[in-house]
Amino acid sequence: DAKTTQPPSMDCAEGRAANLPCNHSTISGNEYVYWYRQIHSQGPQYIIHGLKNNETNEMASLIITEDRKSSTLILPHATLRDTAVYYCIVRSPHGSSNTGKLIFGQGTTLQVKP
Amino acid sequence: DGGITQSPKYLFRKEGQNVTLSCEQNLNHDAMYWYRQDPGQGLRLIYYSQIVNDFQKGDIAEGYSVSREKKESFPLTVTSAQKNPTAFYLCASSIGQIRGRTANEKLFFGSGTQLSVL
Repeated sequence: DAKTTQPPSMDCAEGRAANLPCNHSTISGNEYVYWYRQIHSQGPQYIIHGLKNNETNEMASLIITEDRKSSTLILPHATLRDTAVYYCIVRSPHGSSNTGKLIFGQGTTLQVKP
Repeated sequence: DGGITQSPKYLFRKEGQNVTLSCEQNLNHDAMYWYRQDPGQGLRLIYYSQIVNDFQKGDIAEGYSVSREKKESFPLTVTSAQKNPTAFYLCASSIGQIRGRTANEKLFFGSGTQLSVL
C-alpha cells in the first residue's frame, strides 16, 4: 500500500473552509484514497473515498489531482465539532493478502478556532 | 440501531493477568479487525478476520490472541506475554470480500477500550 504524507497540524477559523492536503506520490492505478477522522478518545469515522474523480458527500469533498499523486479533503464550513485528527489512507481494493491492513499514519490534527 | 460495540470502556490489568476485550457487531459484516493506538500515534493492526472461524495476524500480534466463533463477535485477549499493554484498543468491521475481492474498505469503528496496567 502506498504511503501518505500529511502535515502534522493545521488551524482553521470557524465557518471557513478547511483544506487538508495529502501526498501519495507512489500511489498505483488501482489504489483508492480514503479519509477518516478521529475525535479525541473515540473510534475513527469514515468521511469519504475516491479513485480518480472528485467526490462529494454530506460531510466533505475530495479533490484528487489528475496525476493522482496528491489529494485534498475539503470541509466547506468548518465547525468546532470538526476539530479532530484526519487520516489520509491509500489502499488497493484487490489485495486479498492485505485485506483489512489499512495503514493509519499519524494524520493531521485540525484545530477549528472560534 | 446497527453498529459495533466495544466493552468495557475502561479496563485495568494486573501484572501477569490475561484480560479479554469484547467486540460485537450487528451490521452483518464478514470482516472484523483489532487496532491498537498509543498516545499521539496512529492505529496499528493487531489481528483481523475476513470470515468466521478464520483470522490472521496483523503487524503487532505478539502477546495477543483472538477468536472468531461467531460472525458477530471478535474478542481480543491481551495475554501476560504483552509487556506493554497500556493503550487504546479499537475494534472495527467492514463488509469484507465479495467473490474473492475486497468489496469496500469502509470501516466502522467501535468507541474503543482504554486498557491500563495497575
